[in-house]
Amino acid sequence: AQSVTQPDIHITVSEGASLELRCNYSYGATPYLFWYVQSPGQGLQLLLKYFSGDTLVQGIKGFEAEFKRSQSSFNLRKPSVHWSDAAEYFCAVGPDKLIFGTGTRLQVFP
Amino acid sequence: DTGVSQNPRHKITKRGQNVTFRCDPISEHNRLYWYRQTLGQGPEFLTYFQNEAQLEKSRLLSDRFSAERPKGSFSTLEIQRTEQGDSAMYLCASSSTDRAYNSPLHFGNGTRLTVT
Repeated sequence: AQSVTQPDIHITVSEGASLELRCNYSYGATPYLFWYVQSPGQGLQLLLKYFSGDTLVQGIKGFEAEFKRSQSSFNLRKPSVHWSDAAEYFCAVGPDKLIFGTGTRLQVFP
Repeated sequence: DTGVSQNPRHKITKRGQNVTFRCDPISEHNRLYWYRQTLGQGPEFLTYFQNEAQLEKSRLLSDRFSAERPKGSFSTLEIQRTEQGDSAMYLCASSSTDRAYNSPLHFGNGTRLTVT
């Protein structure tokens, strides 16, 4: 069955610290992978996507993610977190009818 | 690109009433999706259209739910005889199958439904 697992429900980091959010997927074919961010009461904004090619993809707001087929993972990273990054982050697998994980809530302390 | 627009933003209704939500996709997008999101969960797929054709419906979409996209542009999602369990955020998204766009899903800000 197709699924996405985000093992960390809630992560807290200090501003300026590095960040890694984990995502594991199960998908029968070559996956299209996405990370979205959601602020309270808002819709989802696309951070980055992986379709093919270079396994390290760059996104908006300084985020990047690395596709590792052998580990069925697509972890999101940022070298230095800003207070404005506090939000809910969702990993999803496609290509079109996306299946989402349950999300990771990021809290940033000053 | 004016983005995906959803109306209303909030809807409070009494149990048993019918409600209808509207979604206006990005104009050049031919696919339109409806998702439901409950507190602390990720969005769950409900249904999607390509142009005016409804291509797939999730098992989550009970008989009380109906979606239309009559002219292949905007879409409506109607819930009949609402139940408290229908309280959720209803998200609409659109995308294009045109490879030139290489388009992922673009989401609207959602309609939050509260059933009292």
